[in-house]
Amino acid sequence: DAGITQSPRHKVTETGTPVTLRCHQTENHRYMYWYRQDPGHGLRLIHYSYGVKDTDKGEVSDGYSVSRSKTEDFLLTLESATSSQTSVYFCAISHDSYEQYFGPGTRLTVT
Amino acid sequence: GESVGLHLPTLSVQEGDNSIINCAYSNSASDYFIWYKQESGKGPQFIIDIRSNMDKRQGQRVTVLLNKTVKHLSLQIAATQPGDSAVYFCAEHNEKLTFGTGTRLTIIP
Repeated sequence: DAGITQSPRHKVTETGTPVTLRCHQTENHRYMYWYRQDPGHGLRLIHYSYGVKDTDKGEVSDGYSVSRSKTEDFLLTLESATSSQTSVYFCAISHDSYEQYFGPGTRLTVT
Repeated sequence: GESVGLHLPTLSVQEGDNSIINCAYSNSASDYFIWYKQESGKGPQFIIDIRSNMDKRQGQRVTVLLNKTVKHLSLQIAATQPGDSAVYFCAEHNEKLTFGTGTRLTIIP
Protein backbone atom coordinates (compact mmCIF):
# COMPACT_ATOMS: atom_id res chain seq x y z
CA ASP A 1 0.00 0.00 0.00
CA ALA A 2 2.77 2.42 -1.00
CA GLY A 3 3.98 3.10 2.54
CA ILE A 4 0.62 4.18 3.89
CA THR A 5 -0.95 2.92 7.08
CA GLN A 6 -4.29 3.73 8.60
CA SER A 7 -5.41 3.27 12.18
CA PRO A 8 -7.60 1.91 13.48
CA ARG A 9 -8.58 -0.54 10.74
CA HIS A 10 -11.98 -1.13 12.28
CA LYS A 11 -13.98 0.88 14.76
CA VAL A 12 -17.47 0.75 16.19
CA THR A 13 -18.64 3.84 18.03
CA GLU A 14 -21.85 5.35 19.33
CA THR A 15 -23.70 8.32 17.92
CA GLY A 16 -22.45 11.57 19.38
CA THR A 17 -18.96 10.40 20.31
CA PRO A 18 -15.81 11.93 18.82
CA VAL A 19 -13.68 9.76 16.55
CA THR A 20 -10.21 10.34 15.13
CA LEU A 21 -8.74 8.36 12.28
CA ARG A 22 -5.05 8.46 11.54
CA CYS A 23 -3.18 8.20 8.27
CA HIS A 24 0.58 7.77 8.31
CA GLN A 25 2.89 7.80 5.29
CA THR A 26 6.57 7.00 4.88
CA GLU A 27 6.85 8.36 1.31
CA ASN A 28 7.31 12.05 2.17
CA HIS A 29 4.57 12.97 -0.31
CA ARG A 30 3.23 16.50 -0.22
CA TYR A 31 -0.44 15.75 -0.77
CA MET A 32 -2.66 13.71 1.50
CA TYR A 33 -6.38 13.00 1.13
CA TRP A 34 -9.28 11.56 3.04
CA TYR A 35 -12.07 9.84 1.12
CA ARG A 36 -15.14 7.92 2.08
CA GLN A 37 -16.46 4.99 0.08
CA ASP A 38 -20.13 4.01 0.18
CA PRO A 39 -22.16 1.58 -1.93
CA GLY A 40 -23.42 3.19 -5.12
CA HIS A 41 -20.96 6.05 -4.88
CA GLY A 42 -17.48 6.53 -6.15
CA LEU A 43 -14.83 7.60 -3.70
CA ARG A 44 -15.80 11.00 -2.38
CA LEU A 45 -13.28 13.53 -1.15
CA ILE A 46 -13.73 14.75 2.42
CA HIS A 47 -10.66 16.91 2.97
CA TYR A 48 -7.18 17.13 1.60
CA SER A 49 -3.83 18.63 2.53
CA TYR A 50 -1.23 20.18 0.27
CA GLY A 51 1.38 20.66 2.96
CA VAL A 52 1.93 20.85 6.70
CA LYS A 53 -0.89 22.92 8.22
CA ASP A 54 -2.35 23.49 4.71
CA THR A 55 -5.73 21.84 4.27
CA ASP A 56 -8.88 22.37 2.25
CA LYS A 57 -12.40 20.99 2.02
CA GLY A 58 -13.63 18.39 -0.39
CA GLU A 59 -17.13 17.69 -1.62
CA VAL A 60 -18.42 15.99 1.58
CA SER A 61 -16.63 17.88 4.36
CA ASP A 62 -19.61 18.65 6.64
CA GLY A 63 -19.15 17.00 10.05
CA TYR A 64 -15.44 16.36 9.51
CA SER A 65 -12.27 18.22 10.38
CA VAL A 66 -8.62 17.46 9.65
CA SER A 67 -5.19 18.34 10.87
CA ARG A 68 -1.70 17.91 9.52
CA SER A 69 1.04 18.93 11.93
CA LYS A 70 3.71 16.73 10.31
CA THR A 71 4.35 15.70 6.72
CA GLU A 72 3.77 12.05 7.53
CA ASP A 73 0.51 12.28 9.50
CA PHE A 74 -2.98 13.37 8.45
CA LEU A 75 -5.78 13.08 11.00
CA LEU A 76 -9.50 12.97 10.26
CA THR A 77 -11.84 13.84 13.15
CA LEU A 78 -15.55 13.33 13.44
CA GLU A 79 -16.43 15.72 16.24
CA SER A 80 -19.77 14.06 16.97
CA ALA A 81 -20.29 10.89 14.97
CA THR A 82 -23.63 10.27 13.25
CA SER A 83 -25.01 7.12 11.64
CA SER A 84 -24.64 8.74 8.21
CA GLN A 85 -20.88 8.68 8.77
CA THR A 86 -20.82 4.89 8.84
CA SER A 87 -18.53 4.17 5.92
CA VAL A 88 -15.14 2.94 4.81
CA TYR A 89 -12.56 5.69 4.97
CA PHE A 90 -9.50 5.74 2.78
CA CYS A 91 -6.43 7.88 2.99
CA ALA A 92 -4.43 8.59 -0.15
CA ILE A 93 -1.11 10.27 -0.87
CA SER A 94 0.34 11.94 -3.93
CA HIS A 95 3.57 13.75 -4.73
CA ASP A 96 2.00 15.94 -7.45
CA SER A 97 -1.81 15.79 -6.94
CA TYR A 98 -2.24 13.51 -9.95
CA GLU A 99 -1.29 9.90 -9.24
CA GLN A 100 -2.76 8.92 -5.87
CA TYR A 101 -1.93 5.87 -3.78
CA PHE A 102 -4.33 4.54 -1.22
CA GLY A 103 -4.08 3.08 2.24
CA PRO A 104 -5.85 -0.10 3.38
CA GLY A 105 -8.91 1.70 4.73
CA THR A 106 -10.74 2.06 8.03
CA ARG A 107 -14.19 0.58 8.43
CA LEU A 108 -16.20 2.80 10.78
CA THR A 109 -19.60 1.85 12.15
CA VAL A 110 -21.63 4.40 14.08
CA THR A 111 -24.44 2.81 16.09
CA GLY B 1 -22.51 18.36 -12.54
CA GLU B 2 -20.07 16.35 -14.55
CA SER B 3 -19.29 12.85 -13.41
CA VAL B 4 -17.39 9.75 -14.32
CA GLY B 5 -19.50 6.71 -15.11
CA LEU B 6 -19.25 3.15 -16.34
CA HIS B 7 -21.12 1.27 -19.06
CA LEU B 8 -21.50 -1.99 -17.13
CA PRO B 9 -21.66 -2.62 -13.38
CA THR B 10 -20.63 -6.31 -13.66
CA LEU B 11 -18.55 -8.32 -16.09
CA SER B 12 -17.94 -12.08 -16.16
CA VAL B 13 -15.04 -13.38 -18.22
CA GLN B 14 -13.69 -16.86 -18.88
CA GLU B 15 -10.25 -17.47 -17.45
CA GLY B 16 -7.67 -16.93 -20.17
CA ASP B 17 -9.84 -14.61 -22.22
CA ASN B 18 -9.27 -10.88 -22.54
CA SER B 19 -11.34 -8.46 -20.44
CA ILE B 20 -12.46 -5.02 -21.50
CA ILE B 21 -13.79 -2.60 -18.92
CA ASN B 22 -15.26 0.67 -20.09
CA CYS B 23 -15.63 4.12 -18.60
CA ALA B 24 -17.36 7.23 -19.88
CA TYR B 25 -16.32 10.65 -18.73
CA SER B 26 -18.03 13.96 -19.35
CA ASN B 27 -15.44 16.62 -18.57
CA SER B 28 -13.60 17.41 -21.79
CA ALA B 29 -11.08 19.47 -19.79
CA SER B 30 -9.82 16.43 -17.86
CA ASP B 31 -6.11 16.05 -18.49
CA TYR B 32 -5.27 12.75 -16.83
CA PHE B 33 -6.95 9.42 -16.17
CA ILE B 34 -6.22 6.50 -13.88
CA TRP B 35 -7.51 2.95 -13.58
CA TYR B 36 -7.66 1.39 -10.13
CA LYS B 37 -8.25 -2.18 -8.99
CA GLN B 38 -9.93 -2.82 -5.65
CA GLU B 39 -10.07 -6.26 -4.11
CA SER B 40 -12.53 -7.05 -1.37
CA GLY B 41 -11.53 -5.49 1.94
CA LYS B 42 -8.56 -3.65 0.49
CA GLY B 43 -7.73 -0.16 -0.67
CA PRO B 44 -7.72 0.82 -4.35
CA GLN B 45 -4.56 -0.19 -6.15
CA PHE B 46 -3.12 1.90 -8.98
CA ILE B 47 -3.01 -0.07 -12.24
CA ILE B 48 -2.19 2.30 -15.06
CA ASP B 49 -2.61 5.93 -16.04
CA ILE B 50 -2.78 7.95 -19.22
CA ARG B 51 -2.49 11.63 -20.00
CA SER B 52 -4.91 13.35 -22.33
CA ASN B 53 -2.24 13.90 -24.98
CA MET B 54 -2.04 10.13 -25.50
CA ASP B 55 -4.57 7.64 -26.89
CA LYS B 56 -2.99 4.38 -25.77
CA ARG B 57 -0.70 3.17 -23.05
CA GLN B 58 0.43 -0.34 -22.28
CA GLY B 59 1.56 -1.96 -19.09
CA GLN B 60 2.10 -5.52 -18.02
CA ARG B 61 -0.98 -7.39 -19.36
CA VAL B 62 -2.99 -4.18 -19.30
CA THR B 63 -3.69 -1.55 -21.91
CA VAL B 64 -5.60 1.69 -21.48
CA LEU B 65 -7.25 3.33 -24.47
CA LEU B 66 -8.47 6.92 -24.49
CA ASN B 67 -10.92 8.23 -27.05
CA LYS B 68 -11.30 11.93 -26.44
CA THR B 69 -13.76 12.35 -29.32
CA VAL B 70 -16.42 10.34 -27.51
CA LYS B 71 -14.98 10.84 -24.01
CA HIS B 72 -14.41 7.14 -23.47
CA LEU B 73 -11.75 5.26 -21.55
CA SER B 74 -11.22 1.52 -21.54
CA LEU B 75 -9.04 -0.95 -19.69
CA GLN B 76 -8.03 -4.13 -21.44
CA ILE B 77 -6.66 -7.02 -19.41
CA ALA B 78 -4.99 -9.75 -21.42
CA ALA B 79 -5.29 -13.43 -20.53
CA THR B 80 -7.48 -12.83 -17.50
CA GLN B 81 -6.49 -14.76 -14.39
CA PRO B 82 -8.40 -15.59 -11.18
CA GLY B 83 -6.35 -12.95 -9.36
CA ASP B 84 -7.86 -10.30 -11.63
CA SER B 85 -11.23 -10.68 -9.90
CA ALA B 86 -11.94 -7.30 -8.33
CA VAL B 87 -13.79 -4.04 -8.78
CA TYR B 88 -12.17 -1.78 -11.35
CA PHE B 89 -12.87 1.93 -11.53
CA CYS B 90 -11.56 4.86 -13.43
CA ALA B 91 -10.77 8.35 -12.26
CA GLU B 92 -10.41 11.57 -14.18
CA HIS B 93 -8.34 14.55 -13.17
CA ASN B 94 -9.46 18.14 -13.59
CA GLU B 95 -7.87 20.03 -10.67
CA LYS B 96 -8.80 17.00 -8.57
CA LEU B 97 -9.59 13.34 -9.11
CA THR B 98 -13.22 12.29 -9.62
CA PHE B 99 -13.92 8.58 -9.33
CA GLY B 100 -16.41 6.30 -11.02
CA THR B 101 -18.46 3.75 -9.11
CA GLY B 102 -16.72 0.70 -10.56
CA THR B 103 -17.25 -2.52 -12.52
CA ARG B 104 -17.02 -5.85 -10.77
CA LEU B 105 -14.96 -8.32 -12.81
CA THR B 106 -15.63 -11.99 -12.11
CA ILE B 107 -13.45 -14.72 -13.59
CA ILE B 108 -15.13 -17.95 -14.64
CA PRO B 109 -12.78 -20.96 -14.20
